[in-house]
Amino acid sequence: QSALTQPASVSESPGQSITISCTGTSSDVGSYNLVSWYQQHPGKAPKLMIYEVSKRPSGVSNRFSGSKSGNTASLTISGLQAEDEADYYCCSYAGSGTYVFGTGTKVTVL
Amino acid sequence: QVTLKESGPVLVTPTETLTLTCTVSGFSLSNAAMGVSWIRQPPGKALEWLAHIFSNDEKSHNTSLRTRLTISKDTSNRQVVLTMTNMDSVDTATYFCARILLNSVFDIWGQGTVVTVSS
Repeated sequence: QSALTQPASVSESPGQSITISCTGTSSDVGSYNLVSWYQQHPGKAPKLMIYEVSKRPSGVSNRFSGSKSGNTASLTISGLQAEDEADYYCCSYAGSGTYVFGTGTKVTVL
Repeated sequence: QVTLKESGPVLVTPTETLTLTCTVSGFSLSNAAMGVSWIRQPPGKALEWLAHIFSNDEKSHNTSLRTRLTISKDTSNRQVVLTMTNMDSVDTATYFCARILLNSVFDIWGQGTVVTVSS
């Protein structure tokens, strides 16, 4: 169970869009549409932002969207705001009841 | 309102066994649509899924840690317990419990509890 690969950091100006990639294998991301994304502010618990690749929980801004192609899932944040500055983690079901998280991406709003 | 709260020792000695408790409210551990997972995060590092348990007592464990982990539940007391044997300094982390749904979503998280392994 190797961690899913994410870029360590992404920076962009307010109002712009960013996309965070999450690369796994054919045993996890590539096999299941069970990818979720979590936002974590410093010292806080993670918060669910996207589930089942592209679904948004109630209360999450529609500026957040998800997609998947092959073994890579992506999270896009449009209209970047200061409050979006946080760490983001992807997570995928990996079969046999197990899960694997990504390496995490620090998003900085310039 | 759904909440989960972790409790356990702040400091553990190397080779000791860690026992953590997750107390839930707002949902039942007998609900077939959901379970409880444990996830940890070493300081400055990424999240790592450890284990989960569902209402039918179905359990899964992180493959790399399987021999050290035990997860169980006490439905009447609304608690899920995780034990991890042979603790080492690399196990120093914040340990979270989270509700997991059948579609593999960790939808509600506890605040986390910090565990330091040191002699």
